[in-house]
Amino acid sequence: DQQVKQNSPSLSVQEGRISILNCDYTNSMFDYFLWYKKYPAEGPTFLISISSIKDKNEDGRFTVFLNKSAKHLSLHIVPSQPGDSAVYFCAATTQGGSEKLVFGKGTKLTVNP
Amino acid sequence: SQTIHQWPATLVQPVGSPLSLECTVEGTSNPNLYWYRQAAGRGLQLLFYSIGIDQISSEVPQNLSASRPQDRQFILSSKKLLLSDSGFYLCAWSVRLGHSPLHFGNGTRLTVT
Repeated sequence: DQQVKQNSPSLSVQEGRISILNCDYTNSMFDYFLWYKKYPAEGPTFLISISSIKDKNEDGRFTVFLNKSAKHLSLHIVPSQPGDSAVYFCAATTQGGSEKLVFGKGTKLTVNP
Repeated sequence: SQTIHQWPATLVQPVGSPLSLECTVEGTSNPNLYWYRQAAGRGLQLLFYSIGIDQISSEVPQNLSASRPQDRQFILSSKKLLLSDSGFYLCAWSVRLGHSPLHFGNGTRLTVT
């Protein structure tokens, strides 16, 4: 049972435009959500997180939106840059803490110059 | 600042040989420690996590084991590797309490031949 789903395995956007990466979850007990960025042959790097008490969190070019009723979150990157090309993972956990972090399968973002 | 070291970066081992991957964390005390695996085309799968010395939880039945002989040292082992053990292994740490992001090492690419 896949509790965190990233239904788009890949996304391609033009430099300067907005990238929108989507993630759906099934467990209503999830209350903390994170996005990670991963380059080939490297470990994932933490990007941004959001608690279920919020519906938006912003950090520079990155904004995460949470729609609890739809069990959906999204990551917006504006403006997109070629260096943003990577695989993006969303992850979620319950009040149990980080040891129960559940990851999606990732979306490969390609930003074309 | 905190850093995480994982080695080796790549490893090619024959079927039936033993395995030892090591991970150390610097700049923090009492971290939670994790071993993840990313198989080709798949997401990040939690293998083991540890909340303290000699306290290891296994998430999936497998051919691998983990040990934490010191507070900031986490070791992934196998007595006899299988072909299916091939993958990208990631060590990570997080603070002990509450919601916090995982911070990953750069990973080990293991190929079992």
